[in-house]
Amino acid sequence: QVQLQESGPGLVKPSETLSLTCNVSDDSINRYYWSWIRQSPGKGLEWIGNIFYSASPNYNPSLKGRVTISVDTSKNQVSLKLISVTAADTAVYYCARHWAKNYMDVWGNGTTVTVSS
Amino acid sequence: DIVMTQSPDSLAVSLGERATINCKSSQTVLYSYNNKTYLAWYQQKPGQPPKLLIYWASSRQSGVPDRFRGSGSGTDFTLTISSLQAEDVAVYYCHQYFLPPYTFGQGTTLEIK
Repeated sequence: QVQLQESGPGLVKPSETLSLTCNVSDDSINRYYWSWIRQSPGKGLEWIGNIFYSASPNYNPSLKGRVTISVDTSKNQVSLKLISVTAADTAVYYCARHWAKNYMDVWGNGTTVTVSS
Repeated sequence: DIVMTQSPDSLAVSLGERATINCKSSQTVLYSYNNKTYLAWYQQKPGQPPKLLIYWASSRQSGVPDRFRGSGSGTDFTLTISSLQAEDVAVYYCHQYFLPPYTFGQGTTLEIK
């Protein structure tokens, strides 16, 4: 069973950039779509966006152009960047695997990010 | 965006009794081209990621006990736990993967009465 592991700084200052990485434990990164989802007490589960290695990413319009998702097949990694963060971006961030237009069947354990000065 | 609304927000059920959680989508999540319903249910326990229970509205994920059953069509869906066990205490979410941005219900907290 593939394992996903999110990593990155646990604390980010307001107005700075949040950068996270999801490590995929096997070589399936070019066979699936990869989504980022976040969970905060105020907004529940929010889909951030997804990517397939050979296609353009899709983003949630609610993030207003602040997000970039990319994939590095040589490292089996999916990355998330979120610019101009505020306290509202404080959340647990998850990566998850799915086929095209399909349910997310494998999730990472998540990484907590706090936005605070 | 497709809004997913769950009811109730919280539920207390006795061990061995039935638990029923409802989910309503603001528009259909049935794709008439392939007759598939793009609705999943997840279970989340404290400190853990969501765990897939049900997909295509009624298909049980491998390893999920058969006391979990998903039903419904169009815009109205139900997750039923036929005989509540102590390990079923969790928050349950419905999720539509029909149209991006993919969305989730607000969650239903299930407790033991």
